[in-house]
Amino acid sequence: DQQVKQNSPSLSVQEGRISILNCDYTNSMFDYFLWYKKYPAEGPTFLISISSIKDKNEDGRFTVFLNKSAKHLSLHIVPSQPGDSAVYFCAANRPSFKTIFGAGTRLFVKA
Amino acid sequence: DVKVTQSSRYLVKRTGEKVFLECVQDMDHENMFWYRQDPGLGLRLIYFSYDVKMKEKGDIPEGYSVSREKKERFSLILESASTNQTSMYLCASSTLAGKYNEQFFGPGTRLTVL
Repeated sequence: DQQVKQNSPSLSVQEGRISILNCDYTNSMFDYFLWYKKYPAEGPTFLISISSIKDKNEDGRFTVFLNKSAKHLSLHIVPSQPGDSAVYFCAANRPSFKTIFGAGTRLFVKA
Repeated sequence: DVKVTQSSRYLVKRTGEKVFLECVQDMDHENMFWYRQDPGLGLRLIYFSYDVKMKEKGDIPEGYSVSREKKERFSLILESASTNQTSMYLCASSTLAGKYNEQFFGPGTRLTVL
């Protein structure tokens, strides 16, 4: 059973517009949620995190929102740039340092 | 600059072969992880280690074993490779001091089992 779901395999956005990537989870025991970005032929790199007791965290162009009642989080990228084109993984931390990842969403930002 | 390296970028092996995937990190991290990445399934945790000689099963440990004899090195072993183990394998490390277990990943090893 997949506890972290990214239901959109891909997303295409025009440069300068907002990109919104979504993630749903089923386990209320996660303490932190994270987003990772992955370029081809590279490993994922950490992008931004949010504690389960917060509802928003912002870092430059990237903002993550957490809706605990809906068990939903989203990553907003504003404004989107062509260099943001990558696969984005939503992840959630379980006890004992185990992290569970979603399937990923491939973002295309068109110039 | 933090670094996680993996011994091979591409590997081709035959069914039944014993396969070793090596990972080295230079950040003095306590935790090390092995994942496999498959289309539509994301990253799935195979094994992780929180200290030298310590290991814990992840979500899909069947068909794999691991070894951590030194803090900086974590090896993934496929005792008898099978075609369903064809995948991208990613190694990662993190520190116990981190608040949210931010992991640093290597570039991955694409393993093909024929």
